[in-house]
Amino acid sequence: QVQLEESGPGLVKPSGTLSLTCAVSGGSISSDNFWSWVRQSPGKGLEWIGEIYHRGDTHYNPSLKSRVTISVDKSMNQFSLRMYSVTAADTAVYYCARGDPLPLDYWGQGILVTVSS
Amino acid sequence: DIVMTQNPLSLSVTPGQMAPISCKSSQSLLQRDGKTHLSWYLQKPGQPPQLLIYEISKRFSGVPERFSGSGSGTDFTLNISRVEAEDVGLYYCMQSLQFPLTFGGGTKVELK
Repeated sequence: QVQLEESGPGLVKPSGTLSLTCAVSGGSISSDNFWSWVRQSPGKGLEWIGEIYHRGDTHYNPSLKSRVTISVDKSMNQFSLRMYSVTAADTAVYYCARGDPLPLDYWGQGILVTVSS
Repeated sequence: DIVMTQNPLSLSVTPGQMAPISCKSSQSLLQRDGKTHLSWYLQKPGQPPQLLIYEISKRFSGVPERFSGSGSGTDFTLNISRVEAEDVGLYYCMQSLQFPLTFGGGTKVELK
């Protein structure tokens, strides 16, 4: 069974860059799936950030597109999220998940990222 | 963006009773290939969302038969036929017809 695990700093300073990695086990990131990032904050519920295919094709939420980059590392079987110029509004639990062809069927446990000085 | 609206916000249910949850989308989720891209998730306390239902009514692997989905176009319903203690949590609908994927605001199910 596919398992996903998020990792990265739990605290980021305002105006800084949030960097998270999602390690995939029990399956290949080169499978016929897209790989997504989703976040959950008390004020905005569940928000889809974007997704990537192993060939590098990406789709982003237009509301975040100018500040977000999702990349894939096939050699490490993982994918990553970078969010720039963060503010307190970006404080949330960040999840990685496997998607398409089925919709977001496997999720990581999530990682809380707090934006604060 | 497609707006997903859930009702009710919360539901208090007697164990063994039925719990219906409604989800409405701001536009039809029917794709040209005949598939309707509407899914349901359950988020138990302290856990990530887990997929229950996709394409309106298809149960994901391991999901109990007491969970069923119905609807079409823009109106959808998740039914829990006989609520059990392990079913408490937040239920979300999600559309994956077009980007960005969007979720409903959630329905909290608790036991009486």
